[in-house]
Order: sequence, then C-alpha cells, then structure tokens
Amino acid sequence: EAGVAQSPRYKIIEKRQSVAFWCNPISGHATLYWYQQILGQGPKLLIQFQNNGVVDDSQLPKDRFSAERLKGVDSTLKIQPAKLEDSAVYLCASSQILNTGELFFGEGSRLTVL
Amino acid sequence: QKEVEQNSGPLSVPEGAIASLNCTYSDRGSQSFFWYRQYSGKSPELIMSIYSNGDKEDGRFTAQLNKASQYVSLLIRDSQPSDSATYLCAVSSNYQLIWGAGTKLIIKP
Repeated sequence: EAGVAQSPRYKIIEKRQSVAFWCNPISGHATLYWYQQILGQGPKLLIQFQNNGVVDDSQLPKDRFSAERLKGVDSTLKIQPAKLEDSAVYLCASSQILNTGELFFGEGSRLTVL
Repeated sequence: QKEVEQNSGPLSVPEGAIASLNCTYSDRGSQSFFWYRQYSGKSPELIMSIYSNGDKEDGRFTAQLNKASQYVSLLIRDSQPSDSATYLCAVSSNYQLIWGAGTKLIIKP
C-alpha cells in the first residue's frame, strides 16, 4: 500500500515570496491534515479536511496561508507571502476515519525562508 | 488551554535496559492516547495507542495509562540503539489531537 506522498521535500525561498506544497493521502483515507513542525516542538495542526470539507482551520494564519482539497483526494498548502518564522517542516497526514489519533504521515516538506 | 507535557530530555539509557517515557495531560475528559516515534529528520510514526486504564503490550513496547492521575507512559524493554529517537505523546481531547513537544531518547551501546 502506498503511503502519503508529499512534494517538494525541500524548498528555500526569500521572505515575501510564495510557496506551495502538495500532498496525496493514502488511498481511501477521507481525512487529511496539514501540520507545521518547528524544530524541537510537537506538530501544530494547521488545517484538517474531511473529504473536501474543512473540519478545523482554527490555527491556520489565514492572512498568508491557504489550503484546498478540491476533489477530496490530494491537497495543496500555499504560503503567500512567506515570513522568516514560517521556516519549518510541513507535514501532511491522513487517516481512515475522522476523530482518530491514528495518523499516517508523509515524509514532510522542509521550508527555509531567508 | 489543553496541554500535554513531556520532559524534553535527552533521556540516556544503556543498551538492553528499560527506557521509561512519561507524559501528562491537562484535560480530564481525554479518551484516547498515542505514542509516536520520530527519528531525526523523519516524520512521526505511530507505535502505540491506548484507550483504557492499565497496560497494553506490543512486542518490546508497553503503554501504561492512568486516567485518575492523568498520565500515560511508554516503556521500552531491551532498548536498542535503533530506539534512539524523539517520542511524541498525543492525546485526543474533544475531537482535537493535542501533541506534546516530545522526549529525546538516546540509547547508549
């Protein structure tokens, strides 16, 4: 069974530039999560989708971050404009059911903002 | 503010010994508890889940839950150098998954 796919693995941009990350969850997983993980911290949920609907985006900085999951499968997370403090690993995860802690993570996308 | 607390470590344990990792949580209504392992530069991987008071064993790993004291622990028996990683505790509380910052475990050969 294929795991959660993410791209790109690494991205370096200047502040105020934009970046987009892509995620394809495990086949059949209806719930998709985007997390931000800063070195030395636990993952912070940015947004959670159930199929193509948003379940929780309370911690998404909506002035600069956006995410979509148009067909209920793959998803894109965008940052525009990027700030220095956005340097982090962006983790995509998926789960079979809603409201579970049993998540499957992709390899992550490491963003460095200079 | 719901919180999950873990000692950041590093916790250094000799190879072959038992490693004990602890986690406390603030929401008494929490129902589900999870341990994830995260190797350096890698993403978290679920290793144990526990839903009721007591012990749950899976190979060399044992999760222990005490809801009255609001703590959950992870024991690793016969620790191996390959167990060196950061261990993240996650607690499901009111349909939210609250994460600790993790404990870094180092197994010394």
